[in-house]
Amino acid sequence: QKEVEQNSGPLSVPEGAIASLNCTYSDRGSQSFFWYRQYSGKSPELIMFIYSNGDKEDGRFTAQLNKASQYVSLLIRDSQPSDSATYLCAVNRDSSYKLIFGSGTRLLVRP
Amino acid sequence: DGGITQSPKYLFRKEGQNVTLSCEQNLNHDAMYWYRQDPGQGLRLIYYSQIVNDFQKGDIAEGYSVSREKKESFPLTVTSAQKNPTAFYLCASSPVREPGELFFGEGSRLTVL
Repeated sequence: QKEVEQNSGPLSVPEGAIASLNCTYSDRGSQSFFWYRQYSGKSPELIMFIYSNGDKEDGRFTAQLNKASQYVSLLIRDSQPSDSATYLCAVNRDSSYKLIFGSGTRLLVRP
Repeated sequence: DGGITQSPKYLFRKEGQNVTLSCEQNLNHDAMYWYRQDPGQGLRLIYYSQIVNDFQKGDIAEGYSVSREKKESFPLTVTSAQKNPTAFYLCASSPVREPGELFFGEGSRLTVL
């Protein structure tokens, strides 16, 4: 079992829809959770992080964390074609320097 | 502008040669990292450094070496011992208070011929 698992996709949604990206993790001691966006051929950029159970909203993005079920999700409201990218989930334990990345979910937003 | 500069962006190497990838940051971050990304894969940690003159192995350090002589610089050498060096190499830095908040350079794409 991988430490951080994501569906590779592609997840295809129409413009204006809500895109829901999911990530599960195996280490119950994980404490920090991050979502990075990576456009094709480019480097990742941090878009959201969440530490506590529940929802965290930032503009069109909402991160959701459920530690009991060991999953974290990212919702993108009013999806735009410019949101088309690979979204990487990353998990950290005890503020360790060894962040564990999933392999990413490719999102395609159709105009 | 603050950021991380990696060079070269593209590099071709013959088998048996060592190559060094440069990484410089002006974000005043103490921690720096090297990750490797293969097609369709997530990022795997090669080496990281929390402070000048100190660094630790990540998950895939074999065949790589680093140095951290200055806070701003963290070069990576891909040695001939690395069996499958063709990959996209990413340098990153982070503030000490939150190691998960990584800032990445543009990456270096290494191809072994």
